[in-house]
Amino acid sequence: DQQVKQNSPSLSVQEGRISILNCDYTNSMFDYFLWYKKYPAEGPTFLISISSIKDKNEDGRFTVFLNKSAKHLSLHIVPSQPGDSAVYFCAASGGSNYKLTFGKGTLLTVNP
Amino acid sequence: NAGVTQTPKFRILKIGQSMTLQCAQDMNHNYMYWYRQDPGMGLKLIYYSVGAGITDKGEVPNGYNVSRSTTEDFPLRLELAAPSQTSVYFCASSLDSRYGYTFGSGTRLTVV
Repeated sequence: DQQVKQNSPSLSVQEGRISILNCDYTNSMFDYFLWYKKYPAEGPTFLISISSIKDKNEDGRFTVFLNKSAKHLSLHIVPSQPGDSAVYFCAASGGSNYKLTFGKGTLLTVNP
Repeated sequence: NAGVTQTPKFRILKIGQSMTLQCAQDMNHNYMYWYRQDPGMGLKLIYYSVGAGITDKGEVPNGYNVSRSTTEDFPLRLELAAPSQTSVYFCASSLDSRYGYTFGSGTRLTVV
């Protein structure tokens, strides 16, 4: 049973445009959400997070939106740059303070 | 500050051989994890540990063993390697899942 779902395996956007990556979850116990970025041949690195008490968190070009009623979050990258090309994982925490549940990832390609 | 260090970075094993993937962290994190990532797939949890002397199975533990004798080290043992264990292995550590995990750079293992 996949509790965190990223339904788009891949996304392609033009440089300078907005990239929107989506993530859905099913477990109501999740109260903290994180996005990770992964380049080939490297480990995932933390990008941005959001607590369930907020509906938006912004860090430079990256903004995460949370819609608790829809159990949906999204990562917006504006403007997109070729260096943003990577796999993005959505992850959720809740019920325990030691375990994250990851989605399968979305491969973002930003074309020059 | 080294973070999470994994060795080796690459390894080729023959079917039936054994090996240990090393993982060490210097952040005094209690929680440590082993994941595998197959081509085009997400991260699957193999084993995790909530502290020295305590380990537990994740989603895909068969064919692997772990130990946690110190806070810093969390080695993953492969006994009787099989082609199905060809994958990229990531070790991670965490202070609290809400703050995210710190991942190592990965070990690419091929079993032939």
